[in-house]
Amino acid sequence: GAVVSQHPSRVICKSGTSVKIECRSLDFQATTMFWYRQFPKQSLMLMATSNEGSKATYEQGVEKDKFLINHASLTLSTLTVTSAHPEDSSFYICSAAPLRLAGDEETQYFGPGTRLLVL
Amino acid sequence: GENVEQHPSTLSVQEGDSAVIKCTYSDSASNYFPWYKQELGKGPQLIIDIRSNVGEKKDQRIAVTLNKTAKHFSLHITETQPEDSAVYFCAARYTNAGKSTFGDGTTLTVKP
Repeated sequence: GAVVSQHPSRVICKSGTSVKIECRSLDFQATTMFWYRQFPKQSLMLMATSNEGSKATYEQGVEKDKFLINHASLTLSTLTVTSAHPEDSSFYICSAAPLRLAGDEETQYFGPGTRLLVL
Repeated sequence: GENVEQHPSTLSVQEGDSAVIKCTYSDSASNYFPWYKQELGKGPQLIIDIRSNVGEKKDQRIAVTLNKTAKHFSLHITETQPEDSAVYFCAARYTNAGKSTFGDGTTLTVKP
């Protein structure tokens, strides 16, 4: 149980194009989903927190118009990198927190990540 | 905000030996402490977690201990195997904070 998928796993695009990454919780409903960015040999950098049906909360320094997040249902969140540039190349990882009983809301399950390369 | 420090950054052990990774946190309100294992090119996988109402939790070869007074928690892996080689991240979270703060990671290498 508690499986999170991401699609695509890898994407190569030209500079200036937009890329959409999907994050799905396959066997549970997620009230909250998180989007992270990870550079090689570094820790996870939280980009934004999204709750189903409401606007995402972005971390300081993350451009919300650049990284569009939509959390349309309890099992799907999308991250769109708009007008991508080479500096946006990175490993993007989502995680989902299951809808559970009070006192057990903190557990996060991560997706397998999406490797984005912008040429 | 919360600050999590993780040590060591790299750890090399011989197969069969034990490995210990330590994390300290700054916010005494944090009450949830998970550990994740990340293999190359993959997303982090939750391997064990502990809440502030207990001091120790064990799952087969993996255990986590928590010292709330000192604000530190540790991951213990016994009888290490080559497949334990990966990057391990600790994290700390306060329930109402809405997000976790991660350590910088420890690269564990288990030599056969």
